[in-house]
Amino acid sequence: GENVEQHPSTLSVQEGDSAVIKCTYSDSASNYFPWYKQELGKGPQLIIDIRSNVGEKKDQRIAVTLNKTAKHFSLHITETQPEDSAVYFCAAPSGSARQLTFGSGTQLTVLP
Amino acid sequence: DAGVTQSPTHLIKTRGQQVTLRCSPKSGHDTVSWYQQALGQGPQFIFQYYEEEERQRGNFPDRFSGHQFPNYSSELNVNALLLGDSALYLCASRSGGGGSPLHFGNGTRLTVT
Repeated sequence: GENVEQHPSTLSVQEGDSAVIKCTYSDSASNYFPWYKQELGKGPQLIIDIRSNVGEKKDQRIAVTLNKTAKHFSLHITETQPEDSAVYFCAAPSGSARQLTFGSGTQLTVLP
Repeated sequence: DAGVTQSPTHLIKTRGQQVTLRCSPKSGHDTVSWYQQALGQGPQFIFQYYEEEERQRGNFPDRFSGHQFPNYSSELNVNALLLGDSALYLCASRSGGGGSPLHFGNGTRLTVT
């Protein structure tokens, strides 16, 4: 099955700086890579996703890059704000895409 | 447009008891999955329901069972509760059996004492 590794486990940045979270996956057949943001007491919220036919996708301050050859993908958040503080999870599909395998999460803290 | 809704939000049970958690999918979604999230970890896939049938199952024992109703809502049942079953149980929905974005509810926090 799919194995997803996520780094770092914790990340602190100053407000306005950029944050980068990296994930690697094992199944070369995986073709869809979502990122979720989870705030305290809430469920994971889909913030951006990318399919394997593109190398980069942007949505305002958030971008995701994908390197299929190296089997890794990254989340980039620019101009960070205190409300970006949360746990971020990457994921990749397995089992005929019916399930997502999640990374272990990154606790992002944006310091004012 | 209502998102994924789950009930109850919190639940406390005793070892050996049984529990039922409920989920209504996002409007327009017909596929429901259940995930277990232990404290400090990523969600772990339990199973997926589509067209009222279990389509795929993760590495969870038979004590975990589910059901999907004709209106696409779903239940998760856990029998013979263990202390290790304490976790946040997340319901997620999507349109179609796989490949489309998965949307999560806020979960049910289950505590087993």
